[in-house]
Amino acid sequence: QVQLEQSGAEVKGPGSSVKVSCRPSRVTFSTYSIAWVRQAPGQGLEWMGGVIPIYEKAHYALKFRTRLTITADRSTHTAYLELRGLTSEDTAIYYCARGILRGGDQQYYMDVWGNGTSVTVSS
Amino acid sequence: ETLLTQSPDILSLSPGDRANISCRASQTVSITFLAWYQQKVGQTPRLLIYGASTRATGIPDRFIGIGSGTDFTLTINRVESEDFALYFCQQYGNSPLTFGQGTRLEIK
Repeated sequence: QVQLEQSGAEVKGPGSSVKVSCRPSRVTFSTYSIAWVRQAPGQGLEWMGGVIPIYEKAHYALKFRTRLTITADRSTHTAYLELRGLTSEDTAIYYCARGILRGGDQQYYMDVWGNGTSVTVSS
Repeated sequence: ETLLTQSPDILSLSPGDRANISCRASQTVSITFLAWYQQKVGQTPRLLIYGASTRATGIPDRFIGIGSGTDFTLTINRVESEDFALYFCQQYGNSPLTFGQGTRLEIK
């Protein structure tokens, strides 16, 4: 079973940027997405967007489109999330997850999840 | 955007009871593209059900997903102590994909 290894916890100041990585434990040649989902303290799950690594093609939730960039390394399938203009409302656990595609690029459920990266935004 | 509303927010049951968690969509979910996840305290979410009714690998058969259109239900037969957790539904039939707000299953 593939595992997703995420980068470590981050503490950032307001207005700064954060970049989180997600690396699969092995590369497969199947088409799948790496999704990013965040969870604020005591809150539910919020989908942010994703990328299909073999195509390096990203897609975004409308809410994050202006300050989020998701990329992927085609050779290692490592995915990256970069979020800019951080505020305290961005304090959350950021999860990556493997999306099993069913139709379009954004039609997937998530069968494998990373352990999460804690991002704290504080002055 | 397809809004998913779960009910109840909190479900208090005893081990051995049956749990029913509802997930209602604001519009028809295409092709029963609905999934359920379980999240225990301090842990990462785990896929339980996809395609509205197909159990993921290793999920016990006491977890049953049914529904179509706008109404979906996760049933847990004979709840066990390890089942007390948060449950989320997620639709992936309509863009953007969305999650329900979550239902907490707690020990009565």
